[in-house]
This record gives sequence, C-alpha cells and structure tokens, in this order.
Amino acid sequence: SYVLTQPPSLSVAPGKTARMTCGGDSIGTKSVQWYQQRPGQAPVLLIYYDSDRPSGIPERFSGSNSGNTATLTLSRVEAGDEADYYCQVWDVNTDHVIFGGGTKLTVL
Amino acid sequence: EVQLVESGGGLVQPGGSLRLSCAASGITFRDFWLSWVRQVPGEGLEWVANIKQDGTETIYVDSVKDRFTISRDNAKNSLYLHMSSLRAEDTAVYFCAAFPRPYSSGFDYWGHGTLVTVSS
Repeated sequence: SYVLTQPPSLSVAPGKTARMTCGGDSIGTKSVQWYQQRPGQAPVLLIYYDSDRPSGIPERFSGSNSGNTATLTLSRVEAGDEADYYCQVWDVNTDHVIFGGGTKLTVL
Repeated sequence: EVQLVESGGGLVQPGGSLRLSCAASGITFRDFWLSWVRQVPGEGLEWVANIKQDGTETIYVDSVKDRFTISRDNAKNSLYLHMSSLRAEDTAVYFCAAFPRPYSSGFDYWGHGTLVTVSS
C-alpha cells in the first residue's frame, strides 16, 4: 500500500519560514492535501490539489509538489501556528485515502 | 455555518457493536462524499471509510472491512457507521468528514469527533 512519510517534528522561530515535507513514491503525480490540527480540535483543510487554498486560509500557507516530495510552506510563523500538520493523498489503485504520520510544528 | 456533529461514541466491550451518527447542517448534504476518519489519542489520522453521494459506492480500510458498515440517509442529512466485532485497536476518536469529489479534493468539513473506547 502507498505510504506517506513526514518528519515527526519541526521547530521554527517566530517570523521565520517553516517547510514541512511529505515523501512518497512519485507523489508528484498525485494530488496532495494538507491539514492543520490543533490540540483537541478537528483537522482543518489548508491546501488541496497540491497548492490551492480554500477560502479563509491565509496566504502564508502555500504548497508545492514534485518528484517524490510535497512541501507545505508556512511563512512568517506565529505562535498560533503550533499544531500538527498532515499530508493526504488518494491511492488511485485502491481508492483508499492515505494520511501521512503528521509533523508537530513547535514555535520557539 | 457548516456543522457536522457526531454522536454515539462510548465504552464497549471487545466483540461488541456500536453505531455512530453524524448529523450535518449548513451544506447541501447530497452533493458530498462522506467519510469516517479516526485518530487514536496522541497519534495520527487514519481514514476508515467513504461513501458516495447517493450511497451506491462504499470503500473501507482493510482493517475494518467486513466489520464496519458506512451508510447515509440524505433525507435526514445523516451519516452512520455501524461497527461490530470491535477490538481494542478500534479505540479512537471518530470524525466524520465531507469532500466534494475523490482524487483531487480534500476533506472540506469535519465534525468535532466522538470517542469510542473498546475495553473490558
């Protein structure tokens, strides 16, 4: 089955840029979605179709996808951005939904 | 305002059954595929099942196939998950989620989740 690999943690200073990666075999051929989940809350869709933002999502969040790595970039990091971030794809061979293990973002 | 509200979670013994419900408002329910996604406290997200807008297609993660059944009632704007032969490893918060189409969209809307605990 298809596997998505995310680093378990990332620490970034306020005002800096956080780049969170999501690795998968030829992930560049798939549509990648990204979610933010704050403690005790439901996930929120940040990015769909690799780089599109739903309405209401700040422009500080952006996505890219190529080769074997997709990346969520968060500019001008704020304390309120501390959360877990998950990538997600569809496995078109099985029609299953696949989530990465998540990256915990810590703002220093 | 879009709301998805899950209910039906609780404590159940191994081998037992439980039915989860998800009531939707603020969306055109019949336009969306629906899913159940679960999360063991402190761990990551795991997709469980999908159901098509008209209920004619369903699909499950292998670990719940033949034990869980996803269904929907578009007249009641409700989604269900009937869980049987429950195991300790099914213990998790169960979220319902909605998406417009597979392969190129994400889960636009999520409920707050309902906790299922399988324990003797």
